[in-house]
Amino acid sequence: DIQMTQSPSSLSASVGDRVTITCRASQNISSYLNWYQQKPGKAPKLLMYGASSLQSGVPSRFSGSGSGTDFTLTISSLQPEDFATYFCQQSYSSWTFGQGTKVEI
Amino acid sequence: QVTLKESGPALVKPTETLTLTCTVSGFSLSSATMGVSWIRQPPGKALEWLAHIFSNGEESYSTSLMTRLTISQDTSRGQVVLTMTNMDPVDTATYYCARIQYDFSTGHTNFDYWGQGTLVTVSS
Repeated sequence: DIQMTQSPSSLSASVGDRVTITCRASQNISSYLNWYQQKPGKAPKLLMYGASSLQSGVPSRFSGSGSGTDFTLTISSLQPEDFATYFCQQSYSSWTFGQGTKVEI
Repeated sequence: QVTLKESGPALVKPTETLTLTCTVSGFSLSSATMGVSWIRQPPGKALEWLAHIFSNGEESYSTSLMTRLTISQDTSRGQVVLTMTNMDPVDTATYYCARIQYDFSTGHTNFDYWGQGTLVTVSS
């Protein structure tokens, strides 16, 4: 099975900060990488797919990059509604998620 | 409007079998570009993909849980059912169903719509 490792597990940031979250796959997954945002008590929400494509309706301050085994999710200017937990997910072989990165104040 | 809604027992006893139903609307389970997965999340922990059913009825399971899982669908009723046998307290989690959308031109898939989730507690 393909393992996904995110870093950091949590981070503290302020409104307006640029935030970067990293996700590493245990093997080459090309660009088969999605990112989700989850707020407490809610279902995850799709943010990015195919490593760098923005899901419809998601603000453009979110961006994704990477290919192969190393990927990043960047929030260019953190907004109050962005405080949440972010998960990466590979879709190269079945589906597995990273352990999550909690973005908090 | 696409919606998915999970239903099932909130409490099961150890060794019992859990049966969860996902009722969908706004799309057809028969669509070639759609499928439905079950995913769970223990309290405060990460998401874990469990099982998937494709529009043609083909099933796919997590390798670590496949001996305990069965997924099926009733396309006429818009329902996907997951059964998990021999429940244990470590299976306590929120269980989600989610729609998978396929892009046949790229091979990419993603979970674009999710149900609200249902918390299942395993305790005697």
